[in-house]
Amino acid sequence: EAQVTQNPRYLITVTGKKLTVTCSQNMNHEYMSWYRQDPGLGLRQIYYSMNVEVTDKGDVPEGYKVSRKEKRNFPLILESPSPNQTSLYFCASSRGSDRPQETQYFGPGTRLLVL
Amino acid sequence: AQSVTQPDIHITVSEGASLELRCNYSYGATPYLFWYVQSPGQGLQLLLKYFSGDTLVQGIKGFEAEFKRSQSSFNLRKPSVHWSDAAEYFCAVAEPNFGNEKLTFGTGTRLTIIP
Repeated sequence: EAQVTQNPRYLITVTGKKLTVTCSQNMNHEYMSWYRQDPGLGLRQIYYSMNVEVTDKGDVPEGYKVSRKEKRNFPLILESPSPNQTSLYFCASSRGSDRPQETQYFGPGTRLLVL
Repeated sequence: AQSVTQPDIHITVSEGASLELRCNYSYGATPYLFWYVQSPGQGLQLLLKYFSGDTLVQGIKGFEAEFKRSQSSFNLRKPSVHWSDAAEYFCAVAEPNFGNEKLTFGTGTRLTIIP
């Protein structure tokens, strides 16, 4: 089954404790992206990747890091989480870097609470 | 930079009634336009998209949307809603950029269906 998976689905952590949210897709997609969803703000793009070893900032990259060492994986790293990063996070992927927005497939989301 | 406005935060519709969700965008030329649906606890699913051509676009689940350049709008419609349509709906816009488009989401419209 074609899908985007995220782990963990729920995470409670404390300020300053480094964490990683994994994202994996099995569709051989070139384009991957991370979003955060906050009430009243919709989804905002954090980082995206056009292909392996190619990443770029989205609208709200501060406090986040990403890497794209393999095509299928696109982990989101919070080096020193703060309470304002409490949010619902979505990973997404799409087929090709020539039309990255053609059809994005979204993961189920990771709900993060930073105390 | 492009932006998207969904003026209705919450809409309540009776089952079997017609539905129209509004979306207005701000962009100088013709952007790529999308509607996504998010069911409770789920990721986002693409309903339909517009890149060019026929301004009336058919999507999944019986939804359609019409691109009106003069009004900078891309409203989503359904002639008869079902209880399973209760969800949050997001309009999104991407500025064509030779494969480097960035997707910008509206803040969403929550749809409630009453019997």
